[in-house]
Amino acid sequence: GGIITQTPKFLIGQEGQKLTLKCQQNFNHDTMYWYRQDSGKGLRLIYYSITENDLQKGDLSEGYDASREKKSSFSLTVTSAQKNEMAVFLCASRTDSGNTLYFGEGSRLIVV
Amino acid sequence: GDSVTQKQGQVTLSEDDFLFINCTYSTTTYPTLFWYVQYPGQGPQLLLKVTTANNKGISRGFEATYDKGTTSFHLQKASVQESDSAVYFCALVSNSAGNKLTFGIGTRVLVRP
Repeated sequence: GGIITQTPKFLIGQEGQKLTLKCQQNFNHDTMYWYRQDSGKGLRLIYYSITENDLQKGDLSEGYDASREKKSSFSLTVTSAQKNEMAVFLCASRTDSGNTLYFGEGSRLIVV
Repeated sequence: GDSVTQKQGQVTLSEDDFLFINCTYSTTTYPTLFWYVQYPGQGPQLLLKVTTANNKGISRGFEATYDKGTTSFHLQKASVQESDSAVYFCALVSNSAGNKLTFGIGTRVLVRP
């Protein structure tokens, strides 16, 4: 079986700071995702990537950048952290046939 | 666009109670429907999925029927245990959305011993 590893588990930064979350998968899946989880709002898609060097905007991409330099890794950057962006960020990859997503454990962003 | 509605934010039950979580969806094409479960401190994981209308998915005592007529995919379990306490997300992917899954807001289930 494979695993999705997100680092760091907690990311603490100051308002206005650029902060980056990293995600690695060893499933060898083509498609990867970044979701934001806020209580009462479910999971909202920020960015996804269907292959190395591909980037597709989701519904919540403003204020974020993403990078997919290798098939196994997908990083997300908060370009200027704000206190209202404190949430859990979830990385996932998708089976190449079947549409099943595998998620990491999440990274919690704290802005002070 | 696609949407998924879960009306219940939280459900509180006792062990051995019947669980019912409401989920309805809206899409212009033929979706695949999912239930994901998220235990504390973990990411969501697939509980069950159904690709064909009027079929039922069953997993770990949970079941959900893809009802095209009422555009619903309600989740049920006959007898819950404390270990079923988690957040449950209904989701869909449609042909028109390509690779994007749309999730509901989630229903927190708390089962008291």
